[in-house]
Amino acid sequence: GAVVSQHPSWVICKSGTSVKIECRSLDFQATTMFWYRQFPKQSLMLMATSNEGSKATYEQGVEKDKFLINHASLTLSTLTVTSAHPEDSSFYICSAQDRDQETQYFGPGTRLLVL
Amino acid sequence: AQSVTQPDIHITVSEGASLELRCNYSYGATPYLFWYVQSPGQGLQLLLKYFSGDTLVQGIKGFEAEFKRSQSSFNLRKPSVHWSDAAEYFCAVARGNAGNMLTFGGGTRLMVKP
Repeated sequence: GAVVSQHPSWVICKSGTSVKIECRSLDFQATTMFWYRQFPKQSLMLMATSNEGSKATYEQGVEKDKFLINHASLTLSTLTVTSAHPEDSSFYICSAQDRDQETQYFGPGTRLLVL
Repeated sequence: AQSVTQPDIHITVSEGASLELRCNYSYGATPYLFWYVQSPGQGLQLLLKYFSGDTLVQGIKGFEAEFKRSQSSFNLRKPSVHWSDAAEYFCAVARGNAGNMLTFGGGTRLMVKP
């Protein structure tokens, strides 16, 4: 089956630093990738839709200058949390959509802790 | 705007017992509906999906779900639960194209008693 990986799986950083999270589709090409955020014991909230070669589309309330998304190839999307603060601590999950446009495959998530 | 409600935050069932997880959605158009399972350390895994056609959908791991338009529901069922089914289950509805832009319910945590 389709596999999506994320790196790193967890990261701890100091307040004010930037953190980059990678999302890769390992055995398929994904023209569209999605980034979600999940708070403890809560559901996933869609942050943005990332299309290869174009700018990401952000959901209402998500700061695009805070969460930079780059989708440079059909197998890689990156999320950079800029000038991270403790309130950015969360579980970030990506997904990649296969070409039939019907199924999203999810990565295992990246846990970010900002001190 | 679309929304998904999973009324049960936690459910505990005995191993071998039947299971039903509830999901209600609100969406103006024909819904594309999904059930995902999330286990610790693993990505969300798709159990099944409904786009059109037969309202009873079969999925993996012995799960099935029934789409009831009149009740705006898409409940997940399994006739006999296994201990390995303990996990968090999410119902989702897609807006836009069939698989795009998912809105998730709050999730239901399933615990299985031996």
